[in-house]
Amino acid sequence: ELKVEQNPLFLSMQEGKNYTIYCNYSTTSDRLYWYRQDPGKSLESLFVLLSNGAVKQEGRLMASLDTKARLSTLHITAAVHDLSATYFCAVDIFANAGKSTFGDGTTLTVKP
Amino acid sequence: EPEVTQTPSHQVTQMGQEVILRCVPISNHLYFYWYRQILGQKVEFLVSFYNNEISEKSEIFDDQFSVERPDGSNFTLKIRSTKLEDSAMYFCASSDPQGARGYTFGSGTRLTVV
Repeated sequence: ELKVEQNPLFLSMQEGKNYTIYCNYSTTSDRLYWYRQDPGKSLESLFVLLSNGAVKQEGRLMASLDTKARLSTLHITAAVHDLSATYFCAVDIFANAGKSTFGDGTTLTVKP
Repeated sequence: EPEVTQTPSHQVTQMGQEVILRCVPISNHLYFYWYRQILGQKVEFLVSFYNNEISEKSEIFDDQFSVERPDGSNFTLKIRSTKLEDSAMYFCASSDPQGARGYTFGSGTRLTVV
């Protein structure tokens, strides 16, 4: 059974600081996703990582994937308050089977 | 930006009643999914649907659940006899044939069973 673990689960940081969220998974995977969820809202797709060594950046967020270590990271650079949200990683074993297994989520609070 | 549309946004139902949650996936997507999220918890896979049949389902998706694509645009999730523990946010999602862009999630239906 595929297990996906995120850490930390809660993260409080000051504006302007950098931090990294980690996502470990237990089985060889086809692809890994990062999502953002604001309270009471839906899941917004941030990144789709398809291969070993993949790195994608959007604004202050950068995601990477190491399939050998079964590890993905979501790096936050110079955090701003608008980044406060819950971030989920999710892993597929078989592409488009749709059976994504989600991590528990990391709730990020960025303080002024 | 194309969207996945879900209705209703909030549904309150009595325990034991049947509910139908509705979704309109993105028009050129071929794969459709239902997930649920119990308040404050992780997102859980329920079922995936392709070519008018279920392709994968989880242990949660028991005989009380069913899905249907009654026409060319709608995708529905039916819960036959709701239980208190079915209270959750239910998300519909769809993906394109290549799947390279991941899944697009709808805004969700909050189901409250009383």
